[in-house]
Amino acid sequence: QLQLLESGPGLVKPSETLSLNCTVSGGYVSRGNNYWTWIRQPPNRDLEWIGFVYPNGITTYNPSLKTRVTISIDTSRNHFSLKLTSVTAADTAVYYCARGGRVEDAIDVWGQGTTVAVSS
Amino acid sequence: DIQMTQSPSSLYASVGDRVTFTCRASKDISKSLAWYQQKPGKAPNLLLYATSRLHSGVPSRFSGSGSGTHYTLTISSLQPEDFATYYCQQYFSTLSYTFGQGTKLEIK
Repeated sequence: QLQLLESGPGLVKPSETLSLNCTVSGGYVSRGNNYWTWIRQPPNRDLEWIGFVYPNGITTYNPSLKTRVTISIDTSRNHFSLKLTSVTAADTAVYYCARGGRVEDAIDVWGQGTTVAVSS
Repeated sequence: DIQMTQSPSSLYASVGDRVTFTCRASKDISKSLAWYQQKPGKAPNLLLYATSRLHSGVPSRFSGSGSGTHYTLTISSLQPEDFATYYCQQYFSTLSYTFGQGTKLEIK
């Protein structure tokens, strides 16, 4: 069964870069018509779609974050990654990695989420 | 961007009730809509996709309908485990797969 696990620092200083990895087990990031995506949820707020990457490396980003976001995929390590530059307190959130594209473009498998706080 | 608006923001109901959530898109999304359930401290879970198709393992008391810009999620007979927050998401526009702001279902 496919499982996703987020990893990375839980605390990032303002103006620095947030970096997270999502390790995939029970499947391969390189196969199928899936896409691999990042979603975040600030405390007590709604879900915000950040962007996604296809196995061939093609990406699409939320226009509101586009200038600061990079999502990449590493098929040799079977993981994909998120980088968000110039963070502020507004980037404090639970960050989820997930898979989409198996049931139309809905997101059918989610990681458990990892909390990232932006603070000095 | 396509904006997704859910209503109501919160809903109070009792076990056994029939409840309906509404999601409106700012433009026609051609039934490219998914519904998710999220419980506190947990990741969301997919309930339905393509407006009305039940995801594997989801109980049949959940159903969805709609077209164009107006979509609904109905739970036919509430169970205790259904109290959660429900989100819609459009995946029509590949420029941005936007979520609604959620409807919190609470016990009356």
